Amino acid sequence: DTGVSQDPRHKITKRGQNVTFRCDPISEHNRLYWYRQTLGQGPEFLTYFQNEAQLEKSRLLSDRFSAERPKGSFSTLEIQRTEQGDSAMYLCASRYGLAGRNEQFFGPGTRLTVL
Amino acid sequence: GNSVTQMEGPVTLSEEAFLTINCTYTATGYPSLFWYVQYPGEGLQLLLKATKADDKGSNKGFEATYRKETTSFHLEKGSVQVSDSAVYFCALGRDSNYQLIWGAGTKLIIKP
Repeated sequence: DTGVSQDPRHKITKRGQNVTFRCDPISEHNRLYWYRQTLGQGPEFLTYFQNEAQLEKSRLLSDRFSAERPKGSFSTLEIQRTEQGDSAMYLCASRYGLAGRNEQFFGPGTRLTVL
Repeated sequence: GNSVTQMEGPVTLSEEAFLTINCTYTATGYPSLFWYVQYPGEGLQLLLKATKADDKGSNKGFEATYRKETTSFHLEKGSVQVSDSAVYFCALGRDSNYQLIWGAGTKLIIKP
């Protein structure tokens, strides 16, 4: 069990640029989540995959955000035309798809700074 | 609906003090309950969990007991260390709901 990994750990970009983050979940986990976290707040749910299917997307999520999990393994989160308000920590988590095993395991996060 | 309420922070204690961070929940049925910890600049780590009433989760000297009668899952530690300084999140999960329901987090500051 190598844990959830995320890349990059830090990203600084200028307003208006596009950014893409990658998440590699724990290999046995078929469920994958993206969250956003700002300073002093709890995780805010963005989207959820079961295998390659994106089953839910937060209503708060702008159309500038898109996520994929093409082969049911790693996932990418893209933000187009970044804004300063997008500055946050982006967290990925994964879990088993088994009853009673609903704890999520988190990666270290990608900290995005939009200048 | 489902919700989680945590005591507001920050909580400031001296080293070796006894710690309690309160967490209460609202949910139907029998959710699983979790405590996660987040150290500065890092992601969230699962600290402990309990899946049914009267279960006690424990890890690294921390404990929490699933109390259905009081709908609570308070986090305790007998003797805190400076290295325990972090933000602690209580969360609720259900098999029927893909999401975890999060508390607002409690910042813990331990002074030497």
